[in-house]
This record gives sequence, structure tokens and C-alpha cells, in this order.
Amino acid sequence: KAGVTQTPRYLIKTRGQQVTLSCSPISGHRSVSWYQQTPGQGLQFLFEYFSETQRNKGNFPGRFSGRQFSNSRSEMNVSTLELGDSALYLCASSLGAAGNTIYFGEGSWLTVV
Amino acid sequence: GENVEQHPSTLSVQEGDSAVIKCTYSDSASNYFPWYKQELGKGPQLIIDIRSNVGEKKDQRIAVTLNKTAKHFSLHITETQPEDSAVYFCAASWGNKFYFGSGTKLNVKP
Repeated sequence: KAGVTQTPRYLIKTRGQQVTLSCSPISGHRSVSWYQQTPGQGLQFLFEYFSETQRNKGNFPGRFSGRQFSNSRSEMNVSTLELGDSALYLCASSLGAAGNTIYFGEGSWLTVV
Repeated sequence: GENVEQHPSTLSVQEGDSAVIKCTYSDSASNYFPWYKQELGKGPQLIIDIRSNVGEKKDQRIAVTLNKTAKHFSLHITETQPEDSAVYFCAASWGNKFYFGSGTKLNVKP
């Protein structure tokens, strides 16, 4: 069974640009959540999608957005990139019910220059 | 909301020794507690988990204990090996929300 797949794995963007990251969950999983990981801040929750609807949201500015498609694949977008957005962006998937385990992908490394 | 504190932030042990990482949580509604291991350049991998109706769970060299009354849970690694070197995260969950600790960097010296 394939795990959570994230693309691209590495990317470099310039300040002010926007970026779109993609996540394919484990087959059968309907929940996808996104996290930002930086050395000093640990794992920060961005948002979670379930059945194409945003179910939970963290405390990030509106520049961070996401969506989920009918096949449960998800994308997150960051607009007007800032240097501080440089981080590892992790996607995690689960079946979506309370108490279900979440499984992480390898992440997308974003560097903003 | 839930607050998860994890200690220590760094831990250095000699190969073969035991390592213990502790986490406390604030919300008594939390009922699921997974632990993740993150190796350099990779995403976190689930290594063990425990639910609130269980006090202890073991899987080979790894064990997790949960004290619901005190709201703390711990990861125990016995007979540590160099490949155990990584960052370990605890998490507390209720419903479909997860709250992560800040991570412990474990260094196992050969």
C-alpha cells in the first residue's frame, strides 16, 4: 500500500511569488491535514480537509490556503511568499474518524529567497 | 485548546542504555497518544501509540506508558542503538485534532 505522497520534494521560490504543494493520501483515507515545520517552531498545524471541506484550521494568515478534491488529493497554496515561509511542509492523511492515526508524507522543502 | 509539553529537548545516551522521553497534556478529553520518529530529511513516522483505556503498551524495545490522572505519558526505548538517533515527537489527540510536543532530539553514541 503506497504511503502519503507529496510533490514537489524541494523547491526554491522568490519573495512575493506563490507556491502550490500537492499531497496524495493513502488509498482510502479521506482526511488530509497540513503542517508547517521549522527548526524553532516544531510542527504547526495549518488546516485539515475531510470530504472536500475544511474541517479544522490553525492560526495562519489568509495567505495560506488549501483545498481537497473528490479523490481526496489535496493542495495547499501560499501566496505572496515571505522569507519566514521557508520550512518543511508536511501532509498527513487518515481515515478521518475521531481517534484515527495520521500518517505523514516525506514533506516538501520550501526555500524562499 | 490542548497544550502538550515535551521533555527533554535533547537527550544523549550511550549505545545500549535506555532513553525516556516525557510528555504532559492539559486537556482531559485527549484520548489518543501517538509517538513519531523523524529522521533527518524525512517525514515523521508513527512508532507506537496508546489509547486512554490502556496504561502501557510495548513493541519490542519500545514502550509507552500513560497516566491519565496525572495527564502525562512517556516513551521508553531500551537497549538503544545508533539507528535510534532521531527527533521524537509526542502528540495528544481528541476527536480528529492532534497537538504535538516540541520534539526531543535523541543522540545515541556508539
